[in-house]
Amino acid sequence: GAVVSQHPSRVICKSGTSVKIECRSLDFQATTMFWYRQFPKKSLMLMATSNEGSKATYEQGVEKDKFLINHASLTLSTLTVTSAHPEDSSFYICSARARYGTLFGPGTRLTVL
Amino acid sequence: QKEVEQDPGPLSVPEGAIVSLNCTYSNSAFQYFMWYRQYSRKGPELLMYTYSSGNKEDGRFTAQVDKSSKYISLFIRDSQPSDSATYLCAMSPGGSNYKLTFGKGTLLTVNP
Repeated sequence: GAVVSQHPSRVICKSGTSVKIECRSLDFQATTMFWYRQFPKKSLMLMATSNEGSKATYEQGVEKDKFLINHASLTLSTLTVTSAHPEDSSFYICSARARYGTLFGPGTRLTVL
Repeated sequence: QKEVEQDPGPLSVPEGAIVSLNCTYSNSAFQYFMWYRQYSRKGPELLMYTYSSGNKEDGRFTAQVDKSSKYISLFIRDSQPSDSATYLCAMSPGGSNYKLTFGKGTLLTVNP
């Protein structure tokens, strides 16, 4: 059945490095994917809308040069956190609209030391 | 007024109880309504998906949408300790706009 996967599930990196997170739609195609950030015990915060073959649309206050999004195919979107800092540590989740509702990935926990 | 209002709880019930979770909304453009369950440190899991008004049942879960009142509900029958999680309502307009608007989430604990 339709599933959204994310990789990696957890990543620890040093401050100043870049980290790439992959989001894949399995058994369906997604022209639009969404990237969220979530802090402990807080709501999902939409960061950006990823559109296949075009530029992502970022929410107000989200630095597009900091969070690079590439949606190169109908089943893959990537989020790259560039020059990561400790304040970028968070839980990142992607989603995609399937035929019967929007599905979310399992999330990626990023820790920046 | 927020677009989607959801009582954050927390809600604590004994095992076997019927749980009622609700959201109200103000945007009449919303056509698609979803309920998600989120365990700590996990992505949200889609429980129910409803288009427009009506009821939908899936196992122990029943979703209701009343567009005239801008009110949606999720009922959980015979609740289990494994149902303990945060429940999020979400909705989106029709057409090609898939962006979801969420409620704040209700934290549910089912006590054995």
